Amino acid sequence: AQSVTQLDSQVPVFEEAPVELRCNYSSSVSVYLFWYVQYPNQGLQLLLKYLSGSTLVESINGFEAEFNKSQTSFHLRKPSVHISDTAEYFCAVSASSGGSYIPTFGRGTSLIVHP
Amino acid sequence: SAVISQKPSRDICQRGTSLTIQCQVDSQVTMMFWYRQQPGQSLTLIATANQGSEATYESGFVIDKFPISRPNLTFSTLTVSNMSPEDSSIYLCSVEEKGQGYGYTFGSGTRLTVV
Repeated sequence: AQSVTQLDSQVPVFEEAPVELRCNYSSSVSVYLFWYVQYPNQGLQLLLKYLSGSTLVESINGFEAEFNKSQTSFHLRKPSVHISDTAEYFCAVSASSGGSYIPTFGRGTSLIVHP
Repeated sequence: SAVISQKPSRDICQRGTSLTIQCQVDSQVTMMFWYRQQPGQSLTLIATANQGSEATYESGFVIDKFPISRPNLTFSTLTVSNMSPEDSSIYLCSVEEKGQGYGYTFGSGTRLTVV
């Protein structure tokens, strides 16, 4: 079975500052990793994913995440945040083989961007 | 990616009543998933719905409480039966994109408040 730990329930930050949202996972098999974003009163949207290959993955709106197998982490970063990035962010993991491919989600991190 | 229409978007219901949530997808999908997102909590998978067969429920969820229909490859309903205030949550339907590991698309969710 897989599990996901998002270490911060809430991250306040000022606009244009850098941010890192932390995610650690545990799994006995190889994994796929995902970050989803949930804007207020909306469903979840896939932000980025790691399936294989380059350990650094990027989204179209400036976020990036790096898969670190030795530290079992998949932290999400953005060098300069905007007010519009205020949302709930969920890290998720699923097995790539030998386990459940249905994702397990972390508890979420609320990113609050202040002007 | 698939587009999911979920309704109602929100509802306030009396305890002891039932609410049926509908999920319509703009393409045919093999499996649809129903999640619950309790306040401040992560997403919890309720059940997996395959067309033409009974839904598969996760531990802690039963068919009598959360009956699911899947009449065709683009539609599913989840009923929350005999509601209590503890059922107040966001309920989301989801489909898997393209295949294993490619991420999931979510509906916008149904915010249910039971009074």
